[in-house]
Order: sequence, then C-alpha cells, then structure tokens
Amino acid sequence: SAVISQKPSRDICQRGTSLTIQCQVDSQVTMMFWYRQQPGQSLTLIATANQGSEATYESGFVIDKFPISRPNLTFSTLTVSNMSPEDSSIYLCSVDGGQLANYGYTFGSGTRLTVV
Amino acid sequence: GENVEQHPSTLSVQEGDSAVIKCTYSDSASNYFPWYKQELGKRPQLIIDIRSNVGEKKDQRIAVTLNKTAKHFSLHITETQPEDSAVYFCAAKQGNTPLVFGKGTRLSVIA
Repeated sequence: SAVISQKPSRDICQRGTSLTIQCQVDSQVTMMFWYRQQPGQSLTLIATANQGSEATYESGFVIDKFPISRPNLTFSTLTVSNMSPEDSSIYLCSVDGGQLANYGYTFGSGTRLTVV
Repeated sequence: GENVEQHPSTLSVQEGDSAVIKCTYSDSASNYFPWYKQELGKRPQLIIDIRSNVGEKKDQRIAVTLNKTAKHFSLHITETQPEDSAVYFCAAKQGNTPLVFGKGTRLSVIA
C-alpha cells in the first residue's frame, strides 16, 4: 500500500490566520481525499483532491475556507483559512489503496490543529 | 448519498470473549465495505474489508459478514485481547466514490 508523509503533525495557531497541510505520497495515486476528525468523532470528508482540476467539496465545506491544491499525482495541500476555534480538529489526507477502485484507503498520520 | 449507521457506540467485553459490531448502509449500489481500527492518537488502519460479491471473509481472529439484501455488515472479533481495545469504524462506498464512515465503536477489552 502507499506510504503517505503528512506535515505538520500538529500546530497551535492564532485565530484569523491560515495553516497549510501537506501530504506527499510515495507513488502516483489517482484519488486523494481530505478528512476532518473532530475530537471523539468519526471521519468527515472535506473534499476530493483532483489532479489538474478543482477539488470536489462536500456539503458544508467551501473552497474559500479550505482551498486545496493537487499539482501532481503524488502531492496535495489543504489550507485551513481564517481559522476560528471551531476549526480545531485532526485533519487527515488519504489515498485510494490501489489501481482499482475498490481498495481500502491509506491515511496520513494526521495534523492536530488547535486554534486559540 | 450513502449513509452508514454503526452500533453500538461503546462496547466492553471480557478478555477472551467475542465482540460484534454492526453497520447498516443506505445505498444499494455500494459494493465495498472496509473496517478500520484507530488507536488513541494514531491514524485509522485498515484491518479487513469485504466486497459485495462475497458474503463472509475471515482473517485469523477477525471476520466480516455482509448481507446485501438487508444492507448490513458486521465485524466479529473472537478471543479478544487487551490490544484489541480501540475505536473501530465501518465504511462503505461504490466505485470511485469516496468512503463514507460510520460514527465508530469504542471497544474496551477488560483483562
């Protein structure tokens, strides 16, 4: 399965600022996804990062708040913009595990964000 | 879109007993059903998965069953050990659509 390097692992940020999270994959993957996991909660999909086109956002998430880049098949970034304490959460990138559609996702190690 | 319900939210078992976690899904087109284990402070890890052309799959102490007609699938852990204590998530998807996760089950195995 793919190996994902995600950074930073954690950060404490002032409200109103922005943080960019990076994910680097050790192989080319078609699909990359960004999830948010609030404390004690499940994983909620933010968006699908598409190479060469705009990301596809889920209901409740917008590009102005969570801009995503996907410049190639091994890299993606998620920016959390104009942060508020409600954005405190763990953010995880993930990739589809194989060439075929139905493989399990591999997750990055996560970014624990605290907004003060 | 897909909706995945998971029960129970918490589960405590004695070491050596079996644990069963159940999930239902709403989209009859879903055809891939993985289970993830997440230990405290760590990323979710895939532990077993099943595709819709199979009714049951087993890997050592872990098994998953799928009932397509009823749209539910279950995780079975036998001979539980303290290291099985974690949060378990079920998920579902079809084709290239993203995974949709259940709300999770916190399993505690009491020694």
